[in-house]
Amino acid sequence: QVQLQESGPGLVKPSQTLSLTCTVSGGSINGGSYYWTWIRQPAGKGLEWIGRTYISGRTSYHPSLKDRVTIALDTSKNQFSLKLKSVTAADTAVYFCARDRGWFGDPNIYYGIDVWGQGTMVTVSS
Amino acid sequence: QSVLTQPPSASGTPGQRVTISCSGHSSNIGSNTVNWYQQLPGMAPKLLIYGNTQRPSGVPDRFSGSKSGTSASLAISGLQSEDEADYYCAAGDDSLNGPVVFGGGTKLTVL
Repeated sequence: QVQLQESGPGLVKPSQTLSLTCTVSGGSINGGSYYWTWIRQPAGKGLEWIGRTYISGRTSYHPSLKDRVTIALDTSKNQFSLKLKSVTAADTAVYFCARDRGWFGDPNIYYGIDVWGQGTMVTVSS
Repeated sequence: QSVLTQPPSASGTPGQRVTISCSGHSSNIGSNTVNWYQQLPGMAPKLLIYGNTQRPSGVPDRFSGSKSGTSASLAISGLQSEDEADYYCAAGDDSLNGPVVFGGGTKLTVL
């Protein structure tokens, strides 16, 4: 079955760019209709949806982050990435990559996020 | 501040039935279906319910979901100690909140 694995630096300095990669195994990132998604969770807090990309290249981002975030697919490597620029301590969180089935199927049903990576902790600190 | 509102905590004893509520607006729960996720300590979330009431393969039928208007509920019957976890609701959103919104989460304690 499809598995996701996040990778990237665990420590980023304030004002720099956070860069993470999600490697998809057990299936092709091209195969099927899915949104490839990033979600984060500050310590002791709830889940925050960051954004998603689709195989067409279309992206959607959280309104509060859209000026700083870029999500992109690399189909040759079966990966997708997250870049968040100008980070502050408020961006410290566990970052999850995930596969979202969206509304593909019955358009009246949101099928949800059915595959998650294990999460990677990113700390913003000098 | 989460777009969807959940109680921060809930509790029950083994064998009991507990419910967790999720309140939203016409732009999200009112016009989209609701999903529920279970997050065990130190783990990634897991999809429990999608489309308001549907259980993915492998999810016990002790877990059930419902929706009415702009609110939704997750019910857990025959509560077990391994159900102690954080539970999150989520829905699509048609406003400027972004296409997917989450609740703040409910920590379920099995007494």
